[in-house]
Amino acid sequence: KAGVTQTPRYLIKTRGQQVTLSCSPISGHRSVSWYQQTPGQGLQFLFEYFSETQRNKGNFPGRFSGRQFSNSRSEMNVSTLELGDSALYLCASSLQGYTEAFFGQGTRLTVV
Amino acid sequence: KQEVTQIPAALSVPEGENLVLNCSFTDSAIYNLQWFRQDPGKGLTSLLLIQSSQREQTSGRLNASLDKSSGRSTLYIAASQPGDSATYLCAVGAGSARQLTFGSGTQLTVLP
Repeated sequence: KAGVTQTPRYLIKTRGQQVTLSCSPISGHRSVSWYQQTPGQGLQFLFEYFSETQRNKGNFPGRFSGRQFSNSRSEMNVSTLELGDSALYLCASSLQGYTEAFFGQGTRLTVV
Repeated sequence: KQEVTQIPAALSVPEGENLVLNCSFTDSAIYNLQWFRQDPGKGLTSLLLIQSSQREQTSGRLNASLDKSSGRSTLYIAASQPGDSATYLCAVGAGSARQLTFGSGTQLTVLP
C-alpha cells in the first residue's frame, strides 16, 4: 500500500513569505504528526492531528499552524518566514497516535 | 521532560561485524520505543517498534531490546553490510502527548 506522501519535496522561499506544506497519510491512518529537523536541534515535534482536531502542539511560535481534513490529509503553514525556519519538515502517520509511526520523505524548506 | 540520548554519535566498522547501538531515556513511563533509519536528505524508515510490555523485537538481522526500568534500549545489527550505512534514530512515545521524542542519532558507516 502507498506510504506517506509529502509535497512539495523542495521549496525555496524569501524571508517574510508564507508557505504551505502538504501530507497525505497512509490509507486508514487517522493521526498525522509534523516534525522539524535541523542539524542543530535534531527532530522536534510541531503538532499532531487526529480526526481533524489538533490534540497536541510542540513548543513553536504561533507562526506555525496546521490543519487536517476529513480525508486525514494534513497541511502545515508557516507565516512570516525566518531564516531559522530552513529545515527538513517531516510528516508521520499512524493509526491512532500511540501506534507505529510511518514517515514521509519530507519537504526541504530553504528560506533566503 | 523526556530526554533521549544515543551513544555513540558516530560509529565506523568493517563489513561483517556485529554491532550494538545504544539509546537511553529519562522517563520510564513510555508506551513504545521505535528505531528508525535515515539516509542523507531522506525521510525516516521504521525499523522496529517495541511496545512497553515487550522486551525485544526482531526483524531479519536486526534485534532491538527494551529495558524500561533502566531506561535503555539497544539495537543489535548482525553481520553488518555497507548498505547499512545510515543514521539510526531511536524515539520514545510517552505520556498523553502522542508525540515521539527523538535522540540525536548514531551515524553508522560500514566499510567494505
